[in-house]
Amino acid sequence: QSALTQPASVSGSPGQSITISCTGTSSDVGAYKYVSWYQQHPGKAPKLMIYDVNNRPSGVSNRFSGSKSGNTASLTISGLQAEDEAEYYCTSYTTSSILAFGGGTKLTVL
Amino acid sequence: QITLKESGPTLVKPTQTLTLTCTFSGFSLSTNRLGVGWIRQPPGKALEWLALIYWDDDKRYNPSLRSRLTITKDTSKNQVVLTMTNMDPVDTATYYCAHYYDILTAYNYWGQGTVVTVSS
Repeated sequence: QSALTQPASVSGSPGQSITISCTGTSSDVGAYKYVSWYQQHPGKAPKLMIYDVNNRPSGVSNRFSGSKSGNTASLTISGLQAEDEAEYYCTSYTTSSILAFGGGTKLTVL
Repeated sequence: QITLKESGPTLVKPTQTLTLTCTFSGFSLSTNRLGVGWIRQPPGKALEWLALIYWDDDKRYNPSLRSRLTITKDTSKNQVVLTMTNMDPVDTATYYCAHYYDILTAYNYWGQGTVVTVSS
C-alpha cells in the first residue's frame, strides 16, 4: 500500500483540463513544500514534471501546474493533448527524511 | 549531458542476493547536494522507492525493506551499487536508478531500467 493516495484513474477530452490529487498526512505532504510529480508512458522511465509543489523543470510544458493545500497536493494539466495520456505519480519528502511515493494515476485522453 | 544505466542479472533464484550496478556520466557523486537512488516497479504496479545515497555517503532506505538492502558508491568509477538479499518472486520488477538533486528534492534524470525476474 502506497504512502500517498492518488485516484486510480482520471480522464478528459482533448483541450480540457484535469486535476490529479495526491493525499498524504501532516508527516509528508502537509509538512513540506517538497512535492514532485512524474509522468510515465508505458515501457518508459518516469519523467519529472513538477518539483517543489509548483515548479517546472526546463523543457516541461506550462500546461502542467501543481499546487498544495494542507495534506493534499494536486497536478493540473490544461489543454489536454493525446500525448499526455500516461501514468502520473506524486512524491513527497517526509519527516523520516525519505521520499514517499503515490500509487499512481492513469490518465486517459478520450 | 547526464545519463544513467542499470546493469545486473535478468534472472535470479529465490533466496539469492541481487546485485545491481548503476553506471552514470555527466555528474560526479562527490558534488554537493547530489545523490543516486534506486526505485523499482513490479509489472503493472506502482513505483516503489528503495534507497538513496548522497554525495557525502549518507544513506536512506525504504523502512519496509531496510534489512535486505545495501547501497554503496564508488565515486572514482561513477557507480552506485544496490544489493538486495533473500530475493523472492514478489521482487520481480523493473529496477531504475535515478539522479537525485537535493535542491529539487526530486529525481530529475532516470536510467532506462533493468528487468529482474525472480524464479527457480
